[in-house]
Parts: sequence; C-alpha cells; structure tokens
Amino acid sequence: AQKITQTQPGMFVQEKEAVTLDCTYDTSDQSYGLFWYKQPSSGEMIFLIYQGSYDEQNATEGRYSLNFQKARKSANLVISASQLGDSAMYFCAMRERDTGFQKLVFGTGTRLLVSP
Amino acid sequence: NAGVTQTPKFRILKIGQSMTLQCTQDMNHNYMYWYRQDPGMGLKLIYYSVGAGITDKGEVPNGYNVSRSTTEDFPLRLELAAPSQTSVYFCASSYSGATNEKLFFGSGTQLSVL
Repeated sequence: AQKITQTQPGMFVQEKEAVTLDCTYDTSDQSYGLFWYKQPSSGEMIFLIYQGSYDEQNATEGRYSLNFQKARKSANLVISASQLGDSAMYFCAMRERDTGFQKLVFGTGTRLLVSP
Repeated sequence: NAGVTQTPKFRILKIGQSMTLQCTQDMNHNYMYWYRQDPGMGLKLIYYSVGAGITDKGEVPNGYNVSRSTTEDFPLRLELAAPSQTSVYFCASSYSGATNEKLFFGSGTQLSVL
C-alpha cells in the first residue's frame, strides 16, 4: 500500500492566488512526522515545512501552511499569495517510529505551475 | 557553508561498468542517506547510515554498496551498472533520526546507463 499519496500530478494557479496541494498518508503508528519539500527545475530538494503527529496546531512557515487533519490522514500544503518562483515539483514525505525514523518515505509529487 | 556536496553532477555509464558516487557533508551530521529518483516518481531510499562504520539497507538496495569510514563521507558504489539504474541520485544528511529532523540534500547526480 502507498504510504504517501499525492493525487494531483499537476496544478495551475495564477500569481498572487492561494493553492492547496493534497497529501494523504497511511500509517498505524501514533508517532510520525510529515514533511513537504520543494524541487525546482534546478533539481535540489528544499525543505518547506514540518508537522508532527502530536502537534495540535497546524504548522506555518511564511507563505506555507500545513492543513493537518489527523482523523482523515491528510496533510495538505497551502501556499498563499503564489509567486512565479513557486513553480516547481512539491513532495510530501513521512517518517514513522515503527519503520524507523531514518526512513523518510516520499510521495510521487505534484508539479505546480504559477502563471502571471 | 557547502552543506552536502555530490560529485559528479552527470555521468553516462555503459552496461556492466562500475562507478562510485561521492557524497560529503560539512555539517557534522551523524545520519546520511542515498536516495534515487526515477522520472516522474518520488525519492526511494537506497541505503542509510547512522554514523561512521554503520550502514543499513533502505527500500531499493540491490545493485549498490555503501561505506561510511568517516562522519563526512558516504560514497555509493554501483557494481555492474544496468539500465534500470538510470536515475537521479541524491545524497542527504541530518543531525539525528528524530521525527522532526529535516534532511539536507545535495544537488543530485544524473546517471544514465546505456
């Protein structure tokens, strides 16, 4: 079974608008962490935001926020006020205690295109 | 700060050749990882290390070997390259394996096996 599911292969948004990138996860562990990484066309992986399974508040980092719905096992990334530089691949990833915290498992990614 | 440095950036191998992908980090991180990213897919863990002298297999270790003789270096060895190993390879590091510990990635190595 897929541990991390990103159902949107591609998303389009106009500059200055908000966009939500979906991520659902599968785990029976109580202790886990969820990450979002950005991969621009240059190829490097850039950490954006982290949400722990015990965190009561949704994580925020500047224009990025994580809409964490534990019961639904979803961890959607919200980008507010999109910029042209936000065009990139976005990956959701998870660490679980039971499979070893060393193992960060990635989804297949969503390609975001921001238009002027 | 250099962070995580990978070399080479690009390489073309013939089937059956061998090569070593180099990875070094200057952040004194204990944990290091090798991932591969196939076209249109997410990253898959090949091998990881929790400290010098300690390595373990990830999700897709077949056809690869690693060693960790120092904290800084974590080379990945491909023996008898096959077309299925055509991929982009990322080295990463983190200070610990804590739940909230983010990974720092290198810029990747694009490998083609023809």
